[in-house]
Amino acid sequence: GQQVMQIPQYQHVQEGEDFTTYCNSSTTLSNIQWYKQRPGGHPVFLIQLVKSGEVKKQKRLTFQFGEAKKNSSLHITATQTTDVGTYFCAVPDAGGTSYGKLTFGQGTILTVHP
Amino acid sequence: EAQVTQNPRYLITVTGKKLTVTCSQNMNHEYMSWYRQDPGLGLRQIYYSMNVEVTDKGDVPEGYKVSRKEKRNFPLILESPSPNQTSLYFCASSPGLAGRQYFGPGTRLTVT
Repeated sequence: GQQVMQIPQYQHVQEGEDFTTYCNSSTTLSNIQWYKQRPGGHPVFLIQLVKSGEVKKQKRLTFQFGEAKKNSSLHITATQTTDVGTYFCAVPDAGGTSYGKLTFGQGTILTVHP
Repeated sequence: EAQVTQNPRYLITVTGKKLTVTCSQNMNHEYMSWYRQDPGLGLRQIYYSMNVEVTDKGDVPEGYKVSRKEKRNFPLILESPSPNQTSLYFCASSPGLAGRQYFGPGTRLTVT
């Protein structure tokens, strides 16, 4: 199945600092999704990237999809305590008999110190 | 309100006692999926269903069964639970194949 590596596993920042999490694949991806899970909550969809080199912004969040469509990043500018949680990337399988499978990265746990 | 519901939310059971976790969505989504979440391992897909009567294995299907007799429901069945199935389980639905997932609130299962 699809493999995706997400780093770092943990990130501790002071409020106001920036934060970035990365997802890397050895194969070309058709698309990549990003989710946020607050402590004690369920994952919530943030965005889907489809095009090579795509950059999308949501307020302080910037999402990028690599030119080769093998990696992606989520960057948060000037973190706030409300950003606390685990951020996951998710990628679909390339096709064949496992079309429909979705593989999640291990997640990056973000803590923000006020 | 568009949502995915799961029941029960918490369950403590003993090894070998069959259990079912229900999942229902009211968004008329064709695609549904079950995941388990364990510390350090992220979310791993157990089974998914592309439509009524169409199911397929995810990455960790051993020890689980599913059925999709109606579009809105996708129960997860553990016929003989074991302690290594202690985990947090999420059901999700999506309007498209492996597209944006709408997650349920989760079911925390403990098998002793």
